[in-house]
Amino acid sequence: DGGITQSPKYLFRKEGQNVTLSCEQNLNHDAMYWYRQDPGQGLRLIYYSQIVNDFQKGDIAEGYSVSREKKESFPLTVTSAQKNPTAFYLCASSAPLGGGAGETQYFGPGTRLLVL
Amino acid sequence: ILNVEQSPQSLHVQEGDSTNFTCSFPSSNFYALHWYRWETAKSPEALFVMTLNGDEKKKGRISATLNTKEGYSYLYIKGSQPEDSATYLCALVWGSQGNLIFGKGTKLSVKP
Repeated sequence: DGGITQSPKYLFRKEGQNVTLSCEQNLNHDAMYWYRQDPGQGLRLIYYSQIVNDFQKGDIAEGYSVSREKKESFPLTVTSAQKNPTAFYLCASSAPLGGGAGETQYFGPGTRLLVL
Repeated sequence: ILNVEQSPQSLHVQEGDSTNFTCSFPSSNFYALHWYRWETAKSPEALFVMTLNGDEKKKGRISATLNTKEGYSYLYIKGSQPEDSATYLCALVWGSQGNLIFGKGTKLSVKP
């Protein structure tokens, strides 16, 4: 089955610790995205990548880092510099841009990060 | 700062009721608008991508209209069913990269 997987479903972080959230897709999509959701807020873009070995900061990139070494994988690291990491994190992917319509994004099931 | 507004924030209806909600956005430099449905414990799923003023799209009992000149889109659900219960997100396509700016969503609850 084609789709996007995220792991783990729940993740606990201790103070000062870096943690990495996994996102894998087998849809052969070039573009991948990381969003954060907080209660009462819309999804906010953290980082995105349009192609392997390239990525761009979104609206709330501070305290996060990403890598894009493989087309199918886009892991997100929440660093100790992120002072309020408790949130729900969604990964998405889309086919290459074309047609001027903005490609539909396909979402994973999400990871909930909690701080101990 | 680009703002996408959705109203109402939440909605409770009885099974069989028809309902609608609104997505408002800046009308200048419009590119495209997406609607997604997000059921509890599932991933958001795409409903519609709308690009042209006057666009009207339909999927089963759900339809959407778009007015780019005045900056709004309506989502309609005819004869709501309990399985329609979900949060409905709209997202504006922004910039040449095609990134999405999401509204906060409208949470729909349909009582049997």
